[in-house]
Amino acid sequence: QSVLTQPLSASGTPGQRVAISCSGSSSNIGSNYVYWYQQFPGTAPKLLISRNDQRRSGVPDRFSGSKSGTSASLAISGLRSEDEADYYCATWDDSLNVVVFGGGTKVTVL
Amino acid sequence: QVQLVESGGGVVQPGTSLRLSCAASGFIFRSYGMHWVRQPPGKGLEWVAIIWYDESNNYYAESVKGRFTISRDTSKKMLYLEMNALRVDDTGVYYCARDSGSSHLPVIWGQGTTVTVSS
Repeated sequence: QSVLTQPLSASGTPGQRVAISCSGSSSNIGSNYVYWYQQFPGTAPKLLISRNDQRRSGVPDRFSGSKSGTSASLAISGLRSEDEADYYCATWDDSLNVVVFGGGTKVTVL
Repeated sequence: QVQLVESGGGVVQPGTSLRLSCAASGFIFRSYGMHWVRQPPGKGLEWVAIIWYDESNNYYAESVKGRFTISRDTSKKMLYLEMNALRVDDTGVYYCARDSGSSHLPVIWGQGTTVTVSS
């Protein structure tokens, strides 16, 4: 049971927009930055978005992040086949003094 | 460029110990906190531990507290994870990662080393 809640899966056809939610609480998302990671099978995670909405250098502008209150969201617009991967949100929890991850969302391009 | 290379993984029996290492290069090691994050087979990411850049604080996931110890050797640019009393559910790929520097979150990840705890 992850501290941050993400949907297990999301899907769309090429060109569509997909949004992944990440829900937390006042002690984690409500108080700290949210980061988003992308992971392909058998490889290490890669940082996509830092500080809620800052795209890492080299990340296509199809990826965007946002945060409101105790929830955050990652949007992929103009979905492409190479976006098929697992996506994780993460933040620091002030009450627990730990990093908390979401359970991960598998994005499928139909 | 920033590089993190983990080593020390292997197959061990429950109740035994193992030490993981992570060699860092391409950045000023003493200026950044460092993390260990693991991933059980077929499951999601699970944060394990963090050590502050100046070693003033270490924090652990509840599941490893009292059994695992994170440490660093700044002169060697090395990060370590000493794992004791290993359990079957400690099995997974262990990644070391460099901290963001301000948000206490992983930014750059190594390729991982696999730990299998099995009788």
